[in-house]
Formats: sequence, structure tokens, C-alpha cells
Amino acid sequence: GAVVSQHPSWVICKSGTSVKIECRSLDFQATTMFWYRQFPKQSLMLMATSNEGSKATYEQGVEKDKFLINHASLTLSTLTVTSAHPEDSSFYICSALTGGIRGKNIQYFGAGTRLSVL
Amino acid sequence: AQSVTQLDSHVSVSEGTPVLLRCNYSSSYSPSLFWYVQHPNKGLQLLLKYTSAATLVKGINGFEAEFKKSETSFHLTKPSAHMSDAAEYFCVVSYGSSNTGKLIFGQGTTLQVKP
Repeated sequence: GAVVSQHPSWVICKSGTSVKIECRSLDFQATTMFWYRQFPKQSLMLMATSNEGSKATYEQGVEKDKFLINHASLTLSTLTVTSAHPEDSSFYICSALTGGIRGKNIQYFGAGTRLSVL
Repeated sequence: AQSVTQLDSHVSVSEGTPVLLRCNYSSSYSPSLFWYVQHPNKGLQLLLKYTSAATLVKGINGFEAEFKKSETSFHLTKPSAHMSDAAEYFCVVSYGSSNTGKLIFGQGTTLQVKP
């Protein structure tokens, strides 16, 4: 299947700093990527839809100024957690939507990034 | 509105015995349904997908699922569990227009496989 790389896999930061997480589609182009947040023992919660070349669409209740999303190319989307606080500690997962010959509307997921804010 | 309910939060089976993970969905039109698996601290891997073709869908690692419209179910099965199958399983339905790709996740089922 298609490969989605997410980096870093684990990050620890001090409260008040910003953290950038990268999501790359390695062997296909993705005009649409998604960012999810997962709390321990819980399901995935969609945070936002990232569209190449345009502004991200955020789900209700997600602070767009807190979670900055940039989709600068067809293979890269970034999520920046600004002024991180301990309550932002979570597992963040990205996915990329395939199309074309690989088949439509299948999301391939990155391995996730565990963020710990001290 | 679309939703998905996984009926069991935890399933425990012995190695070599069948696996059944139950999922019911609610959809106002023909849904696309998926099963994903997540191993600890890992991303999600697609097991299989239903998109209005054959109602019995075969996936990877011996898993399959049957779409039953009359029962609004999409249960995941495997004839014989392996220790490596122990993981979290998510039943997922797509919503919005078919091109948005947005997914709704069930709450997940933890599969435990005992030796």
C-alpha cells in the first residue's frame, strides 16, 4: 500500500514552546491530508483537513491559531502546535488521501507522533 | 447523519480460535466502510474496505468482513486468531460527499489473544 511518513515519532517539549510535526506521502501525491488526535485508550478525533495550496478546514472546537496547518506541496503537510501546554500532550496522527490508480478515498496513516509537554 | 458503533470494547480469544469483532453503522446513503488495525503506539493500517461492490470483503492477514444492509452491520471475522493479531481495531465509515474522504471512527475494540 501507499506509505505515509510522520516525523518525529516522539517529542518532548517545555510548556510555551512550539512543536512542528511533518506528514509526508512518500510514493504518491496527496491533495488532501488529515490530522487526528488520539487520547489514551480512545478513538481518533479529526482535527482538521489539510488541502494543498489552500487553508485548512478545522473541525468544530479545534483552535486554528493553536494548531497551525500548512500543506505547501502535494507530498507534505505540517502541523505546528503553538505555545504548547501540558493539556496538548497527546498522540497526533496524520493521514493522506489517495486517488487515481491507487483507488479513491482511501486514507493511509502515518505512524503517529507522541507529544509530551512538560 | 452517519455514525458507527463497535459493540464490544474488549474481545478476548484463545490463539487458533475464531475472531468476531462487531460493528453497526448508521448512514443516510450507501456508505463506504473500513476496518483499520492499530498496534500499540503505531499508526493505523487498513485491513479492508467496502465500497458497494461484493458484500463479502477479504482483507489482509486472513481477515474478512461482510456488509449486511438489512442489519446495518459490518462485522470483522478471522477463522483462526494469531498472537500477532492482538491490537486495537477500528470500524470506520466515510461521511460527507464521496470525495471529501472524511471518516468517522468507532470507539475501537481491543483484541486480546491468549496463548
